[in-house]
Amino acid sequence: NAGVTQTPKFQVLKTGQSMTLQCAQDMNHEYMSWYRQDPGMGLRLIHYSVGAGITDQGEVPNGYNVSRSTTEDFPLRLLSAAPSQTSVYFCASSSLGGGGPKNIQYFGAGTRLSVL
Amino acid sequence: GNSVTQMEGPVTLSEEAFLTINCTYTATGYPSLFWYVQYPGEGLQLLLKATKADDKGSNKGFEATYRKETTSFHLEKGSVQVSDSAVYFCALSDQAGTALIFGKGTTLSVSS
Repeated sequence: NAGVTQTPKFQVLKTGQSMTLQCAQDMNHEYMSWYRQDPGMGLRLIHYSVGAGITDQGEVPNGYNVSRSTTEDFPLRLLSAAPSQTSVYFCASSSLGGGGPKNIQYFGAGTRLSVL
Repeated sequence: GNSVTQMEGPVTLSEEAFLTINCTYTATGYPSLFWYVQYPGEGLQLLLKATKADDKGSNKGFEATYRKETTSFHLEKGSVQVSDSAVYFCALSDQAGTALIFGKGTTLSVSS
């Protein structure tokens, strides 16, 4: 059972470059989200999606785009990378159906991104 | 808005010592409360949760009780092990069960 899979695990970018962080889940979860983790800041929500074709902004959305064309995949795009986007990025998913409003989020192993 | 405050670390303990990591929250309505653990080089995994006042979540010897009167969800373990060394995050979710709001994390280091 793969759960939530993130690729790549590590990435180094130059300022201004673009890239896509991939996230896939095989649990048929409706809800998917992206967080960034910075020292002393905990995890902060970037974007989230409650189903295919539906996305919304979290606490720190600037500089990031998302789309959700399938239930399984939720890629995060950096259109023009900046040093302030150096961070560890986590994708998470959870079920919204049948479990009421208190569902458990499952996290991927993370992508460590450095922007020079 | 909703927020979570947890004690800053690092917390350094000897094996078999008692652990408490404090967590308090601010929220409207009736949030669910969680403790997540992050082992070195890994993603977060759920340690325990509580969904209503006076609920006690427990797992792997860890416990936390949802205290609405003090808006707290302190994590405790009676006897820590070296393998418990990790970063612990307190979190709450809104009633929709979507966005998780995290505390800043507490690093626990246990030595033998």
